[in-house]
Amino acid sequence: GQQVMQIPQYQHVQEGEDFTTYCNSSTTLSNIQWYKQRPGGHPVFLIQLVKSGEVKKQKRLTFQFGEAKKNSSLHITATQTTDVGTYFCAGMDSNYQLIWGAGTKLIIKP
Amino acid sequence: EAGVAQSPRYKIIEKRQSVAFWCNPISGHATLYWYQQILGQGPKLLIQFQNNGVVDDSQLPKDRFSAERLKGVDSTLKIQPAKLEDSAVYLCASSFSGSQETQYFGPGTRLLVL
Repeated sequence: GQQVMQIPQYQHVQEGEDFTTYCNSSTTLSNIQWYKQRPGGHPVFLIQLVKSGEVKKQKRLTFQFGEAKKNSSLHITATQTTDVGTYFCAGMDSNYQLIWGAGTKLIIKP
Repeated sequence: EAGVAQSPRYKIIEKRQSVAFWCNPISGHATLYWYQQILGQGPKLLIQFQNNGVVDDSQLPKDRFSAERLKGVDSTLKIQPAKLEDSAVYLCASSFSGSQETQYFGPGTRLLVL
């Protein structure tokens, strides 16, 4: 079945360093959504991208949707301890089914 | 606005026992989802309701899992009998009118099968 691949699985950064996670789909997506899940918590919606090549920013977070609508990325500038958690992308296919990536866990090194 | 409510928050059972989870979505949300999230993995959709009808249950193990949303509001998910591999967090989510919209998640029910 259709899959959304998300990499890396984990990323260890020093506080203040940048963080990036990538999602790739084998087929064109209608839209892509990003969620954040804090340790022990539940996924919380961050943003939805719909248009080809779309870029959206939320403070230190930058979200991009590829020109072919098959890939997306989330970049966090100057990470803070409050950014810790797992970031999931979820792509919507042509049948309006949401296909979730496996998530990238952001870990801040002590 | 009240969020998605789920109960119980935690449940420990022995294999082959039965268990049921309850979810009350955000008021006015037509679409309700049940997900299974195994530790270290992303959520896996088990079933999606639109009002009281099933939209997608393709990944629901129907030999042991069942779900209903009889009045199109709250929902129950049942496992009977449970297996060790069912240990996971069961998340309920709702959205206003379809999966293309933002999903709001409940706190989840953590199930441990011994």
